[in-house]
Amino acid sequence: KQEVTQIPAALSVPEGENLVLNCSFTDSAIYNLQWFRQDPGKGLTSLLLIQSSQREQTSGRLNASLDKSSGRSTLYIAASQPGDSATYLCAVSGDRGSTLGRLYFGRGTQLTVWP
Amino acid sequence: NAGVTQTPKFQVLKTGQSMTLQCAQDMNHEYMSWYRQDPGMGLRLIHYSVGAGITDQGEVPNGYNVSRSTTEDFPLRLLSAAPSQTSVYFCASSTQGLAGLNEQFFGPGTRLTVL
Repeated sequence: KQEVTQIPAALSVPEGENLVLNCSFTDSAIYNLQWFRQDPGKGLTSLLLIQSSQREQTSGRLNASLDKSSGRSTLYIAASQPGDSATYLCAVSGDRGSTLGRLYFGRGTQLTVWP
Repeated sequence: NAGVTQTPKFQVLKTGQSMTLQCAQDMNHEYMSWYRQDPGMGLRLIHYSVGAGITDQGEVPNGYNVSRSTTEDFPLRLLSAAPSQTSVYFCASSTQGLAGLNEQFFGPGTRLTVL
């Protein structure tokens, strides 16, 4: 069964710092990996999606990388701002057998950026 | 384009009551799914559907029923509510790629409390 782990569970940094959030998965047979943001009491907002054949994706101050063979992804946030405070979740979509049609989530990294 | 909508936003039930959580999407997505999110447990898949008339169980299906009579709607039924079903419920949808799921879109969630 696919297991997704996110480290650290929580992170508190001053405004302006560059951050790296980590996501690891146990089964490298993935179709894609998606990073989400969740604000308190809200739903999940998609940030970036990386196909298994890609190495990275960028959107504004966000950059996500994927190393499928080692089962790792990182989300890099440049020049962090208080508005970046949220929980960040990664999820992998399986590409074969019983993992088709399923998305596996990590438990998230709770980020706080203080002024 | 409303995306994924869920009703109600909040619900309080007594043990043993039944109810249906509604989910609808207007993006013509084949794939729809239900998750529950609990503190310390992350998001867990309850049921999913790959098209009208086709449903399957996820990780935690007990106590829940689903059906998919149309592409747009994917209701989740609690047959006899239990306190253990107190949670936040999210519906998601996506298109299906060649060998897996494409970008997932989430609804705003339903907060359910069972007394």
